[in-house]
Amino acid sequence: AQTVTQSQPEMSVQEAETVTLSCTYDTSESNYYLFWYKQPPSRQMILVIRQEAYKQQNATENRFSVNFQKAAKSFSLKISDSQLGDTAMYFCAFIYNSGGSNYKLTFGKGTLLTVNP
Amino acid sequence: EAGVTQFPSHSVIEKGQTVTLRCDPISGHDNLYWYRRVMGKEIKFLLHFVKESKQDESGMPNNRFLAERTGGTYSTLKVQPAELEDSGVYFCASSQAGGAGYEQYFGPGTRLTVT
Repeated sequence: AQTVTQSQPEMSVQEAETVTLSCTYDTSESNYYLFWYKQPPSRQMILVIRQEAYKQQNATENRFSVNFQKAAKSFSLKISDSQLGDTAMYFCAFIYNSGGSNYKLTFGKGTLLTVNP
Repeated sequence: EAGVTQFPSHSVIEKGQTVTLRCDPISGHDNLYWYRRVMGKEIKFLLHFVKESKQDESGMPNNRFLAERTGGTYSTLKVQPAELEDSGVYFCASSQAGGAGYEQYFGPGTRLTVT
């Protein structure tokens, strides 16, 4: 079974600073994807960034980047130049390519990030 | 393009009552998923439709939960009779295809409170 662990229930950062959210996962699969989703207060969850396991290069989306350590099964999210709009619950998620029809996401418990002015 | 919508946004019911949640996926998305987040815990998968067929319902907690997807469009999730432990946020998501690399687009969720 796959598990995703986010060890930081809450974090805070000052506006314009950098923050890193941690995520570890456990799987015996080799073909999988990792995601960070963001859910702002009272709004719907949106995809922030995606990493394919077979790609060695870390994914980057503007101010968001990941540090993907496959051997260590670690997938952290770095937010640079934090903005007030980054305040949200962040979920780390995993999905593997079963070659069949099993495409359910496995989520961590989430990290509540607050960006302070 | 309209996103995934869910109705109602909140529902408060008493134990033993019935509640029906609705999800409208993004137009053209054949794949529809239901997830649930109980307070303080992980978001957990409930089931997956491909068009009107249930592809995977391994996450459904018990037979008090019934999901349908009429004509492969919107989906409903009925809880009957509701129990206290059913409280949580129910998310619906849709994707264009069922592959692991396809993004699942989430709705805003329905917060269900059973008292």
